[in-house]
Amino acid sequence: DTAVSQTPKYLVTQMGNDKSIKCEQNLGHDTMYWYKQDSKKFLKIMFSYNNKELIINETVPNRFSPKSPDKAHLNLHINSLELGDSAVYFCASSPDSLLNTEAFFGQGTRLTVV
Amino acid sequence: AQSVTQPDIHITVSEGASLELRCNYSYGATPYLFWYVQSPGQGLQLLLKYFSGDTLVQGIKGFEAEFKRSQSSFNLRKPSVHWSDAAEYFCAVGARAGNMLTFGGGTRLMVKP
Repeated sequence: DTAVSQTPKYLVTQMGNDKSIKCEQNLGHDTMYWYKQDSKKFLKIMFSYNNKELIINETVPNRFSPKSPDKAHLNLHINSLELGDSAVYFCASSPDSLLNTEAFFGQGTRLTVV
Repeated sequence: AQSVTQPDIHITVSEGASLELRCNYSYGATPYLFWYVQSPGQGLQLLLKYFSGDTLVQGIKGFEAEFKRSQSSFNLRKPSVHWSDAAEYFCAVGARAGNMLTFGGGTRLMVKP
């Protein structure tokens, strides 16, 4: 069974559209994250949620809105997509917000905005 | 704020040769350090981690890393590289607040037959 799963794996869309990426973890973890990997492979944290509550919101445009309906899910909704949003988005989870464990990553969603 | 530097963007080694990937970090407190590997089109897989204790840590796939506080380094090593090790390798440092990871820029490893 996949521990952290994201859908879709690939997403191609036009500028100005609104799209969502879904993430689910079946590990029973309390903390979930979204990371963005740009074209130069640089990985940066976007959001961190613990038990459905936002802990970290890095300098991300407010067009990006995470939603956590329960602690097993953290979806990412993006409004008014721009060319610069093209990237690979990784969801991750860890057992709790104390840093004595590693993060488990999903396979990534490659978003291409045309 | 924490930061991670991986000085080598690309490294090419021959199969069977030894490997060392460099990682330097900047962090105000005791660091939590990780190495992840990303195969083409795949997610990130944890190779090993350091939280405390023995400064030489063993990971999966025959990798090890050594934490050197005096040099602010956490270099990844493997005595004999296999063709399947070709991938992108990321060093990361963890921050307690929100358990967020700060990643280095990655090192792309290519393996020659």
